[in-house]
Amino acid sequence: DAGVIQSPRHEVTEMGQEVTLRCKPISGHNSLFWYRQTMMRGLELLIYFNNNVPIDDSGMPEDRFSAKMPNASFSTLKIQPSEPRDSAVYFCASSRDRGRTGELFFGEGSRLTVL
Amino acid sequence: RKEVEQDPGPFNVPEGATVAFNCTYSNSASQSFFWYRQDCRKEPKLLMSVYSSGNEDGRFTAQLNRASQYISLLIRDSKLSDSATYLCVVPLYNFNKFYFGSGTKLNVKP
Repeated sequence: DAGVIQSPRHEVTEMGQEVTLRCKPISGHNSLFWYRQTMMRGLELLIYFNNNVPIDDSGMPEDRFSAKMPNASFSTLKIQPSEPRDSAVYFCASSRDRGRTGELFFGEGSRLTVL
Repeated sequence: RKEVEQDPGPFNVPEGATVAFNCTYSNSASQSFFWYRQDCRKEPKLLMSVYSSGNEDGRFTAQLNRASQYISLLIRDSKLSDSATYLCVVPLYNFNKFYFGSGTKLNVKP
């Protein structure tokens, strides 16, 4: 079975440009999480969706960040405009039943570098 | 205070050694706990769950100390392939948020 699929795997962009990261969760999973990982701050939860509805976006750093989940099989995380401090690995994860088993299935991540 | 705190390490141990990591959490209402493993430049993956009575899976043992609010992971007879970063995870009681610790890096040397 296919796991969580993220694209692009790597992106290098210049400050001020718009960045769109994409995620396809595992079929049948009803919860989707966006995380950001840096050496300094570790894994930070940005936003969480349940049944395509954003439940908690308190981790989104600022208005430059937005996330959507138009259907059960697709989500995007957009940064506009991007800044060098946004450089990080962005992970998408999905789970069944809001992760009650504790198992989040992560994608391979999108490594973003903003110059 | 952070929700979850871990010693970043690295822990450098020889093959065959026994090594233990601790993780402290701040929310006394937390009921479930998990250990994830993350290999270098890879995504985190669930290693094991931690129940009130502890949990054992082969060479790995996880235990919970509610009074002191910490969980531990013990690895016996460590292998080279155990080299990774081990992340402690504490979900809030409603499972809406999974707080990840910053991870403890383990290097197993031949």
